[in-house]
Amino acid sequence: AQKVTQAQTEISVVEKEDVTLDCVYETRDTTYYLFWYKQPPSGELVFLIRRNSFDEQNEISGRYSWNFQKSTSSFNFTITASQVVDSAVYFCALSYFRDDKIIFGKGTRLHILP
Amino acid sequence: DAGVTQSPTHLIKTRGQQVTLRCSPKSGHDTVSWYQQALGQGPQFIFQYYEEEERQRGNFPDRFSGHQFPNYSSELNVNALLLGDSALYLCASSPGTSGGKYNEQFFGPGTRLTVL
Repeated sequence: AQKVTQAQTEISVVEKEDVTLDCVYETRDTTYYLFWYKQPPSGELVFLIRRNSFDEQNEISGRYSWNFQKSTSSFNFTITASQVVDSAVYFCALSYFRDDKIIFGKGTRLHILP
Repeated sequence: DAGVTQSPTHLIKTRGQQVTLRCSPKSGHDTVSWYQQALGQGPQFIFQYYEEEERQRGNFPDRFSGHQFPNYSSELNVNALLLGDSALYLCASSPGTSGGKYNEQFFGPGTRLTVL
């Protein structure tokens, strides 16, 4: 079975706080990709990051960082010093080397309060 | 360079009607995928078109059909609309098979369909 679980439906934090969005995935394949997308109120999906299953190195991009742990099947996303513009729905997703179909989690709605 | 475009932006239909949504892929892309995103849910894969043929299909009934034209643009058709078909329909384009390299998908802004 292939599945992406984002247990946090909605999170609210005050601006400048750090926040971590959790993602747990299930797959029997050994070759796969993991993603994070941002969906602002406009609706368009904004690509944030892609990692492949062979690369467990954590990644940092400005205020964003990602922690990939195969041992726990998790791919968590942290925003440091959050800003109001970070308010959006964030999706974790999975796809396979063999095809392009993307399997999305249900998303976490993030509210950054001024 | 235009990204993925979709039309119309919004659409209102009544139960039982039929609807056609359109997608123009990013320049240089020949593969188009369609996703349905119900309110409060993540996008769900409907199907993918490549070389004018349906290459993959998700778990959607036959009421959902598609087409790809020689210029790589695509249509999604939904027949006998149900209330549950109300959703944001997203189109994504990607380059064709690339010998094992990942085919980055670029998403359009979506068409919001409301079925009354």
